[in-house]
Amino acid sequence: EIVLTQSPTTMAASPGEKVTITCRASSSVSYMHWFQQKSGTSPKPWIYDTSKLASGVPDRFSGSGSGTSYSLTISSMEAEDAATYYCLQRSSYPYTFGAGTKLELK
Amino acid sequence: QVQLRESGPGLVQPSETLSLTCTVSGFSLTSYGVNWVRQPPGKCLEWMGVIWGDGSTAYNSLLKSRLSISRDTSKSQVFLKMNSLQTEDTAIYFCARGPHFDYWGQGVMVTVSS
Repeated sequence: EIVLTQSPTTMAASPGEKVTITCRASSSVSYMHWFQQKSGTSPKPWIYDTSKLASGVPDRFSGSGSGTSYSLTISSMEAEDAATYYCLQRSSYPYTFGAGTKLELK
Repeated sequence: QVQLRESGPGLVQPSETLSLTCTVSGFSLTSYGVNWVRQPPGKCLEWMGVIWGDGSTAYNSLLKSRLSISRDTSKSQVFLKMNSLQTEDTAIYFCARGPHFDYWGQGVMVTVSS
């Protein structure tokens, strides 16, 4: 099983601040996928195939990485970005999610 | 438009079997897979398994001995059955379209308690 380790676990960012969330895989994966989840709602696809933004995702978001190290970056934090972000690998079974990064507005 | 909707009992007794249904619309089960994902209260997401368009399945090895995923394409429904439920199986259960997890249901809360 590929274990995904996200960091940080929680963080707070001020409006306008740059945010980076990392996801490290225990073995190499082909792509990383990211989801945003707000309290009481279903996860939303956010970034797929490492760097492609899902429909409706603001372009202040970006994704990058390869092999075992991936990241999600927000160029300038906005209030609506406060949420929990999860990475997902579906390169091999069982698919696995990271434990999540809770991003709060400072 | 694409929609998925989970349904099932909100309360299950310990040691009993959980049966959930994911009813889909806007796409064909013979063309897309459907994944099951669960999330215990306040915790992270756990992939449970998938049934693909050709009817093949794959399961999380941690759940494989207790879990079965099947479908009825004529009714656009996917079924999850998991036996020997314990309190740690209390969670919100989601279905999500594969392979990209691009559409999710709203989830159904299942509580395992006597």
